Amino acid sequence: QVYLVQSGAEVKKPGASVKVSCKTSDNIFNKNGISWFRQAPGQGLEWMGWTSARSGSTKYAQSFEDRVTLTTDPSTTTAYLEVRNLISDDTAVYYCASDWSDVHPDTADHWGQGTLVTVSS
Amino acid sequence: DVVMTQSPLSLPVTLGQPASISCRSSRTIVYSDGNTYLNWFHQRPGQSPRRLIYKVSNRDSGVPDRFSGSGSGTDFTLKISRVEAEDVGVYYCMQGASWPYTFGQGTKLEIK
Repeated sequence: QVYLVQSGAEVKKPGASVKVSCKTSDNIFNKNGISWFRQAPGQGLEWMGWTSARSGSTKYAQSFEDRVTLTTDPSTTTAYLEVRNLISDDTAVYYCASDWSDVHPDTADHWGQGTLVTVSS
Repeated sequence: DVVMTQSPLSLPVTLGQPASISCRSSRTIVYSDGNTYLNWFHQRPGQSPRRLIYKVSNRDSGVPDRFSGSGSGTDFTLKISRVEAEDVGVYYCMQGASWPYTFGQGTKLEIK
């Protein structure tokens, strides 16, 4: 069985941080990488970064690398996205997706349901 | 970064008629393992993207065979042989051959 289940919607003030979780099935967590994407209201999709519990590696999009941290927790097969110093332009739906690894040469095949993060004063 | 350019951005189609969406990459998107990581997604309002096609021409499980992908080099195409009502929404191409992954702008398919 394959699943990615994300945490619920968040409302944050500018300057705050948010941490979004992505609970995955064992087969995804242990074999695949996890990518994170976001979609601002009415806009297209944007890749934020990739992480792999299998390799312990991470890769960030340049526009996010100073404000975003991707982590994984093997004990709960959960991946996390933290975004710091939030601004109104960070208002978006954030998605996790099963992604590439050395034993899973495939990209963005299964997606979580999305987490709406609203940044508002 | 690889720039992905889709056309058209708006696609009105009559039910039962074919539809075609083009996606061009600014450079070739072949990874070192020899695979061309070009995906097509469909997204309905309020839903997560659903992958339809991977590695240019492979249909994902459960995707109707009216959907097909083709192309090579820098030019790729998604075709729907006969559009059905459930096909409305936005279609995106995405390259996964190099970081950062990048998407086309999206093509909004609507029924005439």
